[in-house]
Amino acid sequence: GEDVEQSLFLSVREGDSSVINCTYTDSSSTYLYWYKQEPGAGLQLLTYIFSNMDMKQDQRLTVLLNKKDKHLSLRIADTQTGDSAIYFCADPSGGYNKLIFGAGTRLAVHP
Amino acid sequence: DAMVIQNPRYQVTQFGKPVTLSCSQTLNHNVMYWYQQKSSQAPKLLFHYYDKDFNNEADTPDNFQSRRPNTSFCFLDIRSPGLGDAAMYLCATSARTGDAGELFFGEGSRLTVL
Repeated sequence: GEDVEQSLFLSVREGDSSVINCTYTDSSSTYLYWYKQEPGAGLQLLTYIFSNMDMKQDQRLTVLLNKKDKHLSLRIADTQTGDSAIYFCADPSGGYNKLIFGAGTRLAVHP
Repeated sequence: DAMVIQNPRYQVTQFGKPVTLSCSQTLNHNVMYWYQQKSSQAPKLLFHYYDKDFNNEADTPDNFQSRRPNTSFCFLDIRSPGLGDAAMYLCATSARTGDAGELFFGEGSRLTVL
């Protein structure tokens, strides 16, 4: 069955880089996604990577995909206090029309 | 402008008293989802609609029902809420089928059961 795992907490200093990691079990997914949830808000798509790519860069965000190890990571450069949120890795391997989420990594940014 | 709107944002109910949560969308998306999210846990898919086609997850309790009277609206009915049903309920939509693609979420309805 499908499973998506993430560590629950990450604390970084403002200006440093953050790296959030995710492992997934189903390798047939076309895309893999990162969603962001700010306090009191719903989830919002942050970025995604096509499964035939190893890396995708989008301004301060870098997504790395290691298909052999089924490992996905999100790097945020120059982390700001506004980046404090919960970050969810998501895999559409749950079946038709389904998106399976990890438990989310809570990123805390401190001065 | 909000595209997926959930009401109410906060709902307090008594043990066993039925509750209905609503979701509306202005995106004209075919697929609408209900997720349950408990603290520090992954959002858990309860069911989804592809147009009028209802798809229940195998482990969704019978206590949870849903209605989609038209493209824009979808409701989550909890017939007899228990203490374990206290959670954030998230509605989402998607324009794609197959690979779910980007989901658009509402801000959620937080349910408290007394």
